[in-house]
Amino acid sequence: EAGVVQSPRYKIIEKKQPVAFWCNPISGHNTLYWYLQNLGQGPELLIRYENEEAVDDSQLPKDRFSAERLKGVDSTLKIQPAELGDSAVYLCASSLAGAHEQYFGPGTRLTVT
Amino acid sequence: GQSLEQPSEVTAVEGAIVQINCTYQTSGFYGLSWYQQHDGGAPTFLSYNGLDGLEETGRFSSFLSRSDSYGYLLLQELQMKDSASYFCAAYNQGGKLIFGQGTELSVKP
Repeated sequence: EAGVVQSPRYKIIEKKQPVAFWCNPISGHNTLYWYLQNLGQGPELLIRYENEEAVDDSQLPKDRFSAERLKGVDSTLKIQPAELGDSAVYLCASSLAGAHEQYFGPGTRLTVT
Repeated sequence: GQSLEQPSEVTAVEGAIVQINCTYQTSGFYGLSWYQQHDGGAPTFLSYNGLDGLEETGRFSSFLSRSDSYGYLLLQELQMKDSASYFCAAYNQGGKLIFGQGTELSVKP
């Protein structure tokens, strides 16, 4: 069974440029999460989807970040415009609805210069 | 606020036993999970405690005491490949997972 797929794995952009990350969850997983992980810290939830509905986006900086999960499968996270402080690893995870175990993708390492 | 405290670093030798402690302060606490993350890799689920007591999975065990807001991960028969970061994470009734800062475990020969 394929795991959570994310692309790109690495991205380097200049500040003020837009960037987008893509995630394909494990087949059959209704719940999809986007996390941000800074170096030496634990993942922090940005947004959680149940199917195509964003049920928790309280930690998403909505002035520059947006996300979508059309058709309740793949998801895209966008930053526009990027700032230096956005440099981090962006992790996508998925799970069955109500399950405690989350399956993480390898992440996208973003560097903003 | 919501927070989890765990040691930043732990060092142990191959074959030894190590315990990583975690204290938490979260509203609507439901259970405690543990994740392993190797350098540059994805976090991987290790265990979940929804009830007080010990859960054992092979060389790894996890413990929870709700009355003390405390849990730990116990790793036995340490191997070099166990060198990684270990995160405790509190699962709340809203379905949200809140991670600690992580403990970097170094296993020496």
